[in-house]
Amino acid sequence: EVQLVESGGGLVQPGGSLRLSCAASGFTFSSYWMSWVRQAPGKGLEWVANIKQDGSEKYYVDSVKGRFTISRDNAKNSLYLQMNSLRAEDTAVYYCASRTVYCSSTSCQYYFDYWGQGTLVTVSS
Amino acid sequence: QSVLTQPPSVSGAPGQRVTISCTGSSSNIGAGYDVHWYQQLPGTAPKLLIYGNSNRPSGVPDRFSGSKSGTSASLAITGLQAEDEADYYCQSYDSSLSPFGTGTKVTVL
Repeated sequence: EVQLVESGGGLVQPGGSLRLSCAASGFTFSSYWMSWVRQAPGKGLEWVANIKQDGSEKYYVDSVKGRFTISRDNAKNSLYLQMNSLRAEDTAVYYCASRTVYCSSTSCQYYFDYWGQGTLVTVSS
Repeated sequence: QSVLTQPPSVSGAPGQRVTISCTGSSSNIGAGYDVHWYQQLPGTAPKLLIYGNSNRPSGVPDRFSGSKSGTSASLAITGLQAEDEADYYCQSYDSSLSPFGTGTKVTVL
């Protein structure tokens, strides 16, 4: 059974830092792109960051560029999100998700096939 | 800021059929990119419901179906059940902004 279990959320002051972790099991973690997706209270889903299987490619939504860093440790089947210079608008439930990527001769597409239960990050003084 | 627009809410009585639209543009759905759908039950994480426009993962009931035409896609729920009350999100590829739709709340009357 596929499991993604996030941890590390909590209350942090504006300008502070937090490191989220996601422990994966039940699938070959090293074979998947992985992502972080967040959901502010009462709002929709927002993609935050992606990382390639070997960590060689990373992508971020503009609002977190330069502040957040996604990383992974395939030996530990773990995904991380280092969040610095946190702002009130970063308050959200953060989900880790696996991405299935499929390609044709002209383009690659993806979907998020498995999701963790989420961890709440609250940025407030 | 999503490039995929969904109606904020739809509702139906048990047993009825409801549809949720997902409207994109020539840079995403209209460019040939597939649409995927997620169900988020209250207080839980999203779950993949439909992938590749119309494919159901193992375990998803066949009362859920997806389709795509032009710059839009649709999710249909036939034989609506109380347990289908949830938020539903579409997702496609767009190089510029968030891949998720704005979300639709389905209410079972």
